[in-house]
Amino acid sequence: GAGVSQTPSNKVTEKGKYVELRCDPISGHTALYWYRQSLGQGPEFLIYFQGTGAADDSGLPNDRFFAVRPEGSVSTLKIQRTERGDSAVYLCASSLSPPPAGEQYFGPGTRLTVT
Amino acid sequence: GENVEQHPSTLSVQEGDSAVIKCTYSDSASNYFPWYKQELGKRPQLIIDIRSNVGEKKDQRIAVTLNKTAKHFSLHITETQPEDSAVYFCAASGGGGADGLTFGKGTHLIIQP
Repeated sequence: GAGVSQTPSNKVTEKGKYVELRCDPISGHTALYWYRQSLGQGPEFLIYFQGTGAADDSGLPNDRFFAVRPEGSVSTLKIQRTERGDSAVYLCASSLSPPPAGEQYFGPGTRLTVT
Repeated sequence: GENVEQHPSTLSVQEGDSAVIKCTYSDSASNYFPWYKQELGKRPQLIIDIRSNVGEKKDQRIAVTLNKTAKHFSLHITETQPEDSAVYFCAASGGGGADGLTFGKGTHLIIQP
């Protein structure tokens, strides 16, 4: 079946602008995660959804970052007033089971560049 | 929260030899430990995982060992092949911190022909 998909694959934006990044999880996966990966680093956890609700948003760096999953499937990560330090690859992962038991499968990521 | 340390940062081995990558974790309550392989510009791919109720797991040329007392786990790749060249990440979850995975900084594995 289809894996996790993310759009766009690349996004270039100017400092101060607003961006939205989309994630389509594997069909039937109720758990969805967002991570951020900077160059030369491991992915860093941002937020976890179980169904429609954000069960754990402890990784969001500040209130410029927000994510939704209104129907329990597709999720959108929203970043307001982007800063150059937000430049990274944003990865989405989904899992059939809630943490920690569920194996997480990653999407290809969205490379965000803030100029 | 959880902290995962990974060593070495770069590992170069001759084709056919074995490679070992080691990780330590800080939260004794963590109980799930996956390993991911990431090729340049690609998504992380789950290659093997282990849960805290077992000490070792094997899948063909790949094995993972877990020592809960010492809070460390290792990835072993035998009979390495050129296609094993990639960055490998260990991770941990299930402790008292965030619900997401906490990753190590990665090991760049280079297989020399």
